[in-house]
Amino acid sequence: KAGVTQTPRYLIKTRGQQVTLSCSPISGHRSVSWYQQTPGQGLQFLFEYFSETQRNKGNFPGRFSGRQFSNSRSEMNVSTLELGDSALYLCASSLGSGAIGTEAFFGQGTRLTVV
Amino acid sequence: LAKTTQPISMDSYEGQEVNITCSHNNIATNDYITWYQQFPSQGPRFIIQGYKTKVTNEVASLFIPADRKSSTLSLPRVSLSDTAVYYCLVGDRAGANNLFFGTGTRLTVIP
Repeated sequence: KAGVTQTPRYLIKTRGQQVTLSCSPISGHRSVSWYQQTPGQGLQFLFEYFSETQRNKGNFPGRFSGRQFSNSRSEMNVSTLELGDSALYLCASSLGSGAIGTEAFFGQGTRLTVV
Repeated sequence: LAKTTQPISMDSYEGQEVNITCSHNNIATNDYITWYQQFPSQGPRFIIQGYKTKVTNEVASLFIPADRKSSTLSLPRVSLSDTAVYYCLVGDRAGANNLFFGTGTRLTVIP
């Protein structure tokens, strides 16, 4: 079956702009989580959506937001971009939220560069 | 979430067995131990998960002692394509929900 699909793969934006990233989870998966990965901070959890509801949120400013649609596809938005937002943004899907013994499947990520 | 400690990096020659140990002294009763592999510019990939004793799949083995305060990922006969960062995660939420990846171990396989 198809894996987690993230679009676009690469993106260049200017400081102050906003950006929307998209994630299509594996068919049947209802939990979608977003992570930011930078060389300095490593992989950091942004937020998780399950059945269109945000279930958990990491320690990121309000400029980072997301949503999930009824078909489980998810988008994340970053407003007023800063240079420090340059990172690889990863989306992961799993069958359930907090299900013990469930593995997470990650997409290839979107490489965002803010100039 | 229990904090984990892993070596920052390891080198190994092709064909050797590699063991990466992870410390998790504060592991809770409901916590599972999960290992992920990540190649550059790609998302992490699930390798193996266990609760206690030994788990083996087609790519790796996971050894967990009785006190569960540490675990060892064993990769048999590594090849150049096993060069990657390996993350040890501990938690009762083994799905994508709020996984804490830590710094991981960068494994370099040498020809």
